[in-house]
Parts: sequence; C-alpha cells; structure tokens
Amino acid sequence: GAVVSQHPSWVICKSGTSVKIECRSLDFQATTMFWYRQFPKQSLMLMATSNEGSKATYEQGVEKDKFLINHASLTLSTLTVTSAHPEDSSFYICSARVGGKYEKLFFGSGTQLSVL
Amino acid sequence: DQQVKQNSPSLSVQEGRISILNCDYTNSMFDYFLWYKKYPAEGPTFLISISSIKDKNEDGRFTVFLNKSAKHLSLHIVPSQPGDSAVYFCAASASNQGGKLIFGQGTELSVKP
Repeated sequence: GAVVSQHPSWVICKSGTSVKIECRSLDFQATTMFWYRQFPKQSLMLMATSNEGSKATYEQGVEKDKFLINHASLTLSTLTVTSAHPEDSSFYICSARVGGKYEKLFFGSGTQLSVL
Repeated sequence: DQQVKQNSPSLSVQEGRISILNCDYTNSMFDYFLWYKKYPAEGPTFLISISSIKDKNEDGRFTVFLNKSAKHLSLHIVPSQPGDSAVYFCAASASNQGGKLIFGQGTELSVKP
C-alpha cells in the first residue's frame, strides 16, 4: 500500500508554544488529507479535511485558529497547534486518500503531543 | 454523540480459535462500513469493508457481517493467529452526509499462542 509519513512521532512542549506536525505522502499524490485526534480509550475524531491548494474544512467544535492546517503541495499537509495548552495533549494522526475510496485511506503513524 | 461504538475495549483469544469483534452504530444513514487494524507505533491499515446492500463479506480468514436491523456489525477472524494481535477499529460513512468516516473506539485483540 501507499506510504504516509508523519513527523514527529512524539513531542513535548511548554504551554503557550506552537507545535507543527507534518504529514507526507511518500509515493503518491494526495489531493485530500484528513487530520484526526484521539484521546485515550476514545475513537479517532475527525478534526479537519485538508485539500491541496485550498482552505481546510474543519469539523464542528474544532477551532480553526488554534489548529492551523496547510496543504500547500500534493504530498505535504501540516497541522500547527498554536498556543498549546495541556488540554491539547492528545494523539494526532493524519491520513491521505488515493481516489475516493476509504479502502485506499492510508494513515501516518501518529504524533503524541504532551503539553506541560 | 458516539455514532459508532465498540463496547469491548479488549478481547483475548487462543490461537486457532475464532475472534469476534463487535461494533454498533446509531446512524441509520450509514451505508458503508470498514474495519481497520492498527499495530503499535503504526497507523491503522484497511482490513475489510462492506456495503449496506450486503450482509456478509469474506476475505480469507476475515469475514464481516452486517445486521442492518440491529445496526450491528461484526468481524470474525478464523483461525486467529498471534500476528492478528492489534487494535481493530470499526468505521462507518454515510454517502448522503458528506461521506465522512466515523470511527469506533477500537478493540484490542490479543491472540495467545
């Protein structure tokens, strides 16, 4: 299957700082990427859908000014958590879809963010 | 509002036996269902899917059953192997509601040798 690379795999930061997470499709072009968030023992919650060259579509309840998403190329999408707070500590995972089918949805390995 | 629920956080099965992972949903508009498998430190990978027009789909050792009236689906793994030990996520989408994929909480399967 296709490969999606996500970095960093874990990050610890101080409250008030910003953290950038990168998601790259290594062997295919991804016009659409998805960003999810997962709290312990809970499901993967869709945060936003990122489309190359256009603004991301955020899910209800997700602050677009806090979670900045940029999809400037067909192989790279970034999520920046701005002014991080301890409640932002979570597991963030990206995915990219080849075509329109979810069978062709490939995930990165995720980023565990801890805000002190 | 948890539209997709996996009520068993974990399941332990003996090698060679059947593993049955369950998933319930509340949204009757869901028309496509998928199972993903996740190993530690890796992202989920697609395992098997089923459309709402079917009630069963089989792929090798993996079979997914869909009971629309009960809003329930299950994943059967026969025979279970130690390499099947992973977290399994159930997911659903509704084509007339934007097609967004909604995930369950996951069930951690442990297959004992």
